[in-house]
Amino acid sequence: SYELTQPPSVSVSPGQTARITCSGDALPKQYAYWYQQKPGQAPVLVIYKDSERPSGIPERFSGSSSGTTVTLTISGVQAEDEADYYCQSADSSGTYKVFGGGTKLTVL
Amino acid sequence: QVQLQESGPGLVKPSETLSLTCAVSGYSISSGYYWGWIRQPPGKGLEWIGSIYHSGSTYYNPSLKSRVTISVDTSKNQFSLKLSSVTAADTAVYYCAREKYYYDSGGSAFDIWGQGTMVTVSS
Repeated sequence: SYELTQPPSVSVSPGQTARITCSGDALPKQYAYWYQQKPGQAPVLVIYKDSERPSGIPERFSGSSSGTTVTLTISGVQAEDEADYYCQSADSSGTYKVFGGGTKLTVL
Repeated sequence: QVQLQESGPGLVKPSETLSLTCAVSGYSISSGYYWGWIRQPPGKGLEWIGSIYHSGSTYYNPSLKSRVTISVDTSKNQFSLKLSSVTAADTAVYYCAREKYYYDSGGSAFDIWGQGTMVTVSS
């Protein structure tokens, strides 16, 4: 079965830049999406189609894609950004959805 | 605005069938969009279960396909999940979500989520 691979954890100090990667063989063909999940809450979509930002999501959130890796970048990290982040995409057929294992972002 | 609310038993016995419903408000399901179910075991990551279109067409996670049925009731503006032969491994928070397709470029994302409902499988 198709898998997306994320680092389990990333740590940054406030004001610095956090980068969270997601790797998968089908990512050159399929868009990636990113979700933020805070404890006890439902996930929130923060990036769609690799690099587009939904309305209401702060500009410090951005996404990029290069080959089989997509990256979520949070510039000027704030304490409120501490959360779990999940990438999501689809297999090469585009039919079956898959989530990465999630990355816990810690703001030091 | 569009809101989704899951409901159903919080406790299911092993080997029985888990049944959940997602009520949609602020939008008519029959107007379009896919609608999906995602689950999250305690302390673990997200797993897509399956999705349904307002017309009733479905697609499921291959790893769960033999046990999953998703249906839609446009008259009640809701959709439902049934997962049969449950075990402790099915214990999770179950979320329903709206799946937005980007027809201009392909791909889809879950752009609106319910708050989730915890289901425990135990005798």
